[in-house]
This record gives sequence, C-alpha cells and structure tokens, in this order.
Amino acid sequence: GNSVTQMEGPVTLSEEAFLTINCTYTATGYPSLFWYVQYPGEGLQLLLKATKADDKGSNKGFEATYRKETTSFHLEKGSVQVSDSAVYFCALIRSNDYKLSFGAGTTVTVRA
Amino acid sequence: EAGVTQFPSHSVIEKGQTVTLRCDPISGHDNLYWYRRVMGKEIKFLLHFVKESKQDESGMPNNRFLAERTGGTYSTLKVQPAELEDSGVYFCASSQSQGSTIYFGEGSWLTVV
Repeated sequence: GNSVTQMEGPVTLSEEAFLTINCTYTATGYPSLFWYVQYPGEGLQLLLKATKADDKGSNKGFEATYRKETTSFHLEKGSVQVSDSAVYFCALIRSNDYKLSFGAGTTVTVRA
Repeated sequence: EAGVTQFPSHSVIEKGQTVTLRCDPISGHDNLYWYRRVMGKEIKFLLHFVKESKQDESGMPNNRFLAERTGGTYSTLKVQPAELEDSGVYFCASSQSQGSTIYFGEGSWLTVV
C-alpha cells in the first residue's frame, strides 16, 4: 500500500534559519506528491506539489523536488520567519486515485 | 468564492453522546471527502462521495460513524455514540473532479470526555 514517512518533530528554529523536513514515500506507479500546511487555528492548505519525477514545487519560499530514485520529497526553506510556524504534512496520491495518504505531520516553531 | 466550510469548528461532548459534523463543499465540486487526524497522528481518509453517492467508505472506523450527502450538496458526519478515541480533528475536502486539486476545510475539532 501507499505510505508516507516524514521526520518527527517538533522542530524549533530561530528566524532566518534554514529549514528541512524530510519526507520519503512508498507507492506503486507514479504518484503525485504534496506538502500541506496547517497554520495555528486554520485549516489545511496546499503549500506546493509535484506531479512527476524531477519536478520542483515551490511556494512562499518553500521548495521540494520529486526524487524518484530516492523516493523522497524533502521540504526546504532557506530563511524561515515566525509566520512559518505551523504543522507541515507530506502527502501523496496515486495517479487516477482520489485518496491522499498523509505523513504524521511535523510541527515547526520559529522563534524571533 | 467561498472555500470548504465546516461546522462546528469545535465541539466538546461526553462519551455516549451524539455529534453531527457538517461540511459545505466548494460550489460545483462533485467530489467530497472526509478525513480525520486523531491524537497527533497522520491524517487518514474516511470516505469519498461523488455527488450523493458513496464511492468509497473503506476508511470509516466502525458503524458508529454515518456519513450522508443528501442531494449531493452538503454532507454530514454523525458519530453515535461517541467514544473517547473519536477525539481529533475531522477534515472535509472537495474537488471538482477526480485528479483535480483537493481543497480542505478548517476542520472540526472534536473532544470526547
């Protein structure tokens, strides 16, 4: 079956630090990969996505590259802000499927 | 355009009581999904509607959970009777078609005491 494994948190950083959240997946075929974010008191929002190998998704300074050879989709941001404090979820969906499979989520806290 | 809306945003009930969660998908979205996250674990799929039909309810944990989508518009998820392990966040999501972007609501936070 499909599964997503992401690094456990919580992660605490200082402003302007570099953030990496590791995500690896197991899936048959060629899934699409996503990062969702949940800010405090808000719902799940799509942060970025990639639909095929070597695609790079990017948004709000975050980036993630679909690496089929390592089955990974690590999230990175070069300089975090306090407003980036949130829970980040890695997810996948198989082609022609409708079910998202999520990782356990990583709580990130950025301190001023 | 309004996003996916859920009600209530927070609910605290006693074990054995009933709770009904409501979801209004984005207008025109035939596909509606329920997911939940319990105890800080991963978000798990519960079920999928296409219009008013249940396409997949393989993620429903047991028969204490009942989802409906009469008329193919809004959906309700009823938990009866609620148990302590049902506490968590219940997310509703919708998409225009299978394979298109899935939009989530803000979630309904359920606490069973």
